[in-house]
Amino acid sequence: KQEVTQIPAALSVPEGENLVLNCSFTDSAIYNLQWFRQDPGKGLTSLLLIQSSQREQTSGRLNASLDKSSGRSTLYIAASQPGDSATYLCAVRGTSYDKVIFGPGTSLSVIP
Amino acid sequence: SAVISQKPSRDICQRGTSLTIQCQVDSQVTMMFWYRQQPGQSLTLIATANQGSEATYESGFVIDKFPISRPNLTFSTLTVSNMSPEDSSIYLCSAGGANTGELFFGEGSRLTVL
Repeated sequence: KQEVTQIPAALSVPEGENLVLNCSFTDSAIYNLQWFRQDPGKGLTSLLLIQSSQREQTSGRLNASLDKSSGRSTLYIAASQPGDSATYLCAVRGTSYDKVIFGPGTSLSVIP
Repeated sequence: SAVISQKPSRDICQRGTSLTIQCQVDSQVTMMFWYRQQPGQSLTLIATANQGSEATYESGFVIDKFPISRPNLTFSTLTVSNMSPEDSSIYLCSAGGANTGELFFGEGSRLTVL
């Protein structure tokens, strides 16, 4: 059974810092991994999708990496801004028709 | 990408009543998913809704409590029946991109049961 964990559970950084969020999964046989952002009381916004054959994806100040063999993914945020404050969730899909398993999320606060 | 609209965005309901949440996708999708997010928690999958067949429910969720309809490839509804305060949550609809398997979400429906 796939389990997804994320560390840290919460993170507070000053504006401008670079930071790394971690995601671990127990079953390395995945179809893809997706990072989301959730603002309080809102839905989820897709940030980056990494297919199982890929090692990383980049979008603006965000870079996500995937190491299937070790069951790990990282989300790197460069030059953090107060607007980055949100909860970040990673989610793993086992096959193309499999359900998506979510991690518990990391709550990020960027202090001006 | 898929644009997903949900309504209502929020509601306050009385114990014992039922509420139906609607989800509209701007393109045809094979599978739609309904999630629940309890306060301070991550997302839990309730069921997968396939067009033309009954929804597939996850362990701990039953059709009598969460009936789902999927009349076509762009629309689905989730009903929360006989509500209790424990049903107070955000309910989220999602759908996947056909080729990439990327998952997209609606804005969610925040339900408070008194």
